[in-house]
This record gives sequence, C-alpha cells and structure tokens, in this order.
Amino acid sequence: GENVEQHPSTLSVQEGDSAVIKCTYSDSASNYFPWYKQELGKRPQLIIDIRSNVGEKKDQRIAVTLNKTAKHFSLHITETQPEDSAVYFCAAGQETSYDKVIFGPGTSLSVIP
Amino acid sequence: DAGITQSPRYKITETGRQVTLMCHQTWSHSYMFWYRQDLGHGLRLIYYSAAADITDKGEVPDGYVVSRSKTENFPLTLESATRSQTSVYFCASSYRESQPQHFGDGTRLSIL
Repeated sequence: GENVEQHPSTLSVQEGDSAVIKCTYSDSASNYFPWYKQELGKRPQLIIDIRSNVGEKKDQRIAVTLNKTAKHFSLHITETQPEDSAVYFCAAGQETSYDKVIFGPGTSLSVIP
Repeated sequence: DAGITQSPRYKITETGRQVTLMCHQTWSHSYMFWYRQDLGHGLRLIYYSAAADITDKGEVPDGYVVSRSKTENFPLTLESATRSQTSVYFCASSYRESQPQHFGDGTRLSIL
C-alpha cells in the first residue's frame, strides 16, 4: 500500500520568509496529491491539490510542485504571515480508484512575527 | 463547513464501554471517512464508505465498527473501548474518491 513521508516535522520561519515542506510517496500509481492545513483545535481544510498531469500549481502565495519520477511533491509558501502558522498535512492517493488517500504525519509551521 | 457535523464534540468514558460517534453530512456526498488523529501519526484512516451499505477497512480498523444505512450518516462505534483509543476522531466526506475531503469539527474522546 501507499506510504507517505513528510519533512520537516517542525518548521519555524520569520514573517515574510518562505517555507517549504516536502513529501515522498511510495506507490507509483498515486496521481492525486492534496495538502491540508489544520489550525490549532480546528478541522483540517484543503488548501491546494495537484494531479499527476501537471508539475506545478499556484494559488496566490501557495504553490505545489510534483516530481513523479522521484515520487516527491512539495508545498511552497511565500511571504509567510503569522496566520500561516498551523499543521500542514500532505496526502497521496489514486484519483480513479476505490482507494483512499493516505496522509503524511504533518508539519508544524510557526511563523515568527 | 457546516455541511458535515459530528457529535458529541467531547466524550469521556471508561474502558470496556461501548461508544458511538455520530457523523452527518448534508451534501449527499457518496464517500465518507473516519480518521483518528494522534500526535506524531497525522491522520490515520479507520474506515471508509463509498455509498450506503458499502464500507471498507482503512489503515487502523481493529476495535471499531461502522455502518451506513443512509447516505448522510456514518456512525463509528467502539464496541469495547480501550485506553489506546483515546484520540481525536474526524469524520470527512467527498463527492467521489480522491476529490477534496471536507472534514467535520472532530470528536475528542478520552477513555479512562
């Protein structure tokens, strides 16, 4: 089955700097890669996702890149703000399969004002 | 997303007791999921359902039972609670497999 690793487990950046979180997956059949943000005490919420037919996707200050050959994908947050502080989860799954999406263990991001 | 609600939000019970966590969604999503969240493990899938009367095991199903007699409800039952099942439980739904999952607010369950 799929296995998703995520690094780093914790990340601190100064406000305005960039943050990068990296994930690797094991199943080459995976073709759907969502990212979720979870603020303290709240529900996880989807912030961006990418499918294997594209290598990069951007949404304002957030971007995700995908390298299917190396089986890794990354979340990039530019011009970080204190409200970006949260736990971020990557996940991998198969879009057209009955199968479920497997989550990484999470990265706790702290943005220092 | 108010369309998916979990109850109760908090629950304290004792080992050996049966506990049922409720999940209700109003979007008519086909897929529903139960996760547990523990520090260092992220979100781990317990059970999922592709439609009414269709359920399947996830990564950590032992000790849990689910049912889905109606599309909008997906209750999770701990038949004989153990301390290791102390966790935060999230229910989620999606329109189809691998489409974005919408999560409920979670149930914080403590087993003494």
